[in-house]
Amino acid sequence: ETGVTQTPRHLVMGMTNKKSLKCEQHLGHNAMYWYKQSAKKPLELMFVYSLEERVENNSVPSRFSPECPNSSHLFLHLHTLQPEDSALYLCASSQDLYRGADNEQFFGPGTRLTVL
Amino acid sequence: GQNIDQPTEMTATEGAIVQINCTYQTSGFNGLFWYQQHAGEAPTFLSYNVLDGLEEKGRFSSFLSRSKGYSYLLLKELQMKDSASYLCAVRAPSGGYQKVTFGTGTKLQVIP
Repeated sequence: ETGVTQTPRHLVMGMTNKKSLKCEQHLGHNAMYWYKQSAKKPLELMFVYSLEERVENNSVPSRFSPECPNSSHLFLHLHTLQPEDSALYLCASSQDLYRGADNEQFFGPGTRLTVL
Repeated sequence: GQNIDQPTEMTATEGAIVQINCTYQTSGFNGLFWYQQHAGEAPTFLSYNVLDGLEEKGRFSSFLSRSKGYSYLLLKELQMKDSASYLCAVRAPSGGYQKVTFGTGTKLQVIP
């Protein structure tokens, strides 16, 4: 496999459930990101990791808990979510966080989350 | 803080040329990206500008004016498959790293 993969692609969960989203990148990148994409809103950056170290937590509620066990894998653990958390959750990676050159982000296909 | 503005929607005719504008106000600047996102799919990288001027890549070109805080994406010889959202994103130093902030995107519809 190449690029950035995410599982599951679709997830429906109740407000009391606990679930996890998984992201894996096969590009040898050092930086990984979680974004939330809602209709008619810009991509919202949630978390940023550089070599397994969290660099940014963009005022995200504690019901979202990220985990980065190594530079290729990123998880987003979900618990007691609200209906307004329903959105597309995108994972991305880039070479690193500090380069001044292009260093574009490569996105996974996303997980479409519905909270009932 | 960062503020990025793009038109919400645009419509253009197959075979024509369309220009999608992006204006930004940011604290610092270290490059501007354009991404394409088809409905239900991941954003994919189109172009990067860090110096003023025009960058051309086949049917797509991107322009940057840093003094005006302005960029545009130019799509030539439009094809139906170009119907997608186009995201403008600006990179600037923030909290010790190069942070990328996205605009809301411009949804382009190409009609026959």
